[in-house]
Amino acid sequence: GESVGLHLPTLSVQEGDNSIINCAYSNSASDYFIWYKQESGKGPQFIIDIRSNMDKRQGQRVTVLLNKTVKHLSLQIAATQPGDSAVYFCAENRAGANNLFFGTGTRLTVIP
Amino acid sequence: DGGITQSPKYLFRKEGQNVTLSCEQNLNHDAMYWYRQDPGQGLRLIYYSQIVNDFQKGDIAEGYSVSREKKESFPLTVTSAQKNPTAFYLCASSVLSPRQGVQETQYFGPGTRLLVL
Repeated sequence: GESVGLHLPTLSVQEGDNSIINCAYSNSASDYFIWYKQESGKGPQFIIDIRSNMDKRQGQRVTVLLNKTVKHLSLQIAATQPGDSAVYFCAENRAGANNLFFGTGTRLTVIP
Repeated sequence: DGGITQSPKYLFRKEGQNVTLSCEQNLNHDAMYWYRQDPGQGLRLIYYSQIVNDFQKGDIAEGYSVSREKKESFPLTVTSAQKNPTAFYLCASSVLSPRQGVQETQYFGPGTRLLVL
C-alpha cells in the first residue's frame, strides 16, 4: 500500500558531524512535505517544509532535499548538537487530501 | 505569546468512563486536528475541523467525539466505546489554504498522555 516511510529507525552521530535522515514516499501526487522534530514526551516541532515545485530548501543548520524522480526526501542537519537528539518525522500532503500523512520516525542520538 | 495549549498533561480514565481532552489555540487558525500516537508508530488522525460547527472523521474516529463551538477550541472526548485508549494525544492547528486539498503547516500542542486505571 501507499506509505510514508523511513529507511532507518535509528541513527547515531558524533557531535559536530552532519546528520542525514531519509524518508521515502510512494504517492507521486504528493505535493507538500514537512519535517518535524519530537523530543520525548513533547509535541512535534516544525523544522522545515518544501513543496513539490522545489528540490532544495535551507533553514538554519537544516536542509531538506526532495527527489521526485525516486520519491525520496531527506533532512540534513549540519554540525549536529546534543540538543538535536530526538525523533524526526516526515509528513506528506497527498494532492487533494485534507490532512497530512506521517511516517513512523527516525530516532537521532547525538554522541558527545 | 501565541501557541497551542493542551490540558491536562496526564489523564487517567476508569473503565466505562468518558474523558475530555482540551485543546486551545490563539493563532487564529481555522483548521484544527486531533492525532493519536502509539509507541513506535506514526501519528494517526482522529478528527479534524476546518470551520466552526463542522468537523470530519479521520482514519480512527471510532470511540471518539469532538465539537467545534469556537474557533480557538477543539475538545476531544474519549468515550467508553474506545477499548484501547492508552496513548499520547496531540492536537494541531493550521491556517486554511484557499486552494482545496492544499495543506499548510500544522503546528502541534504539547500533548496529553491518557492512561487507563
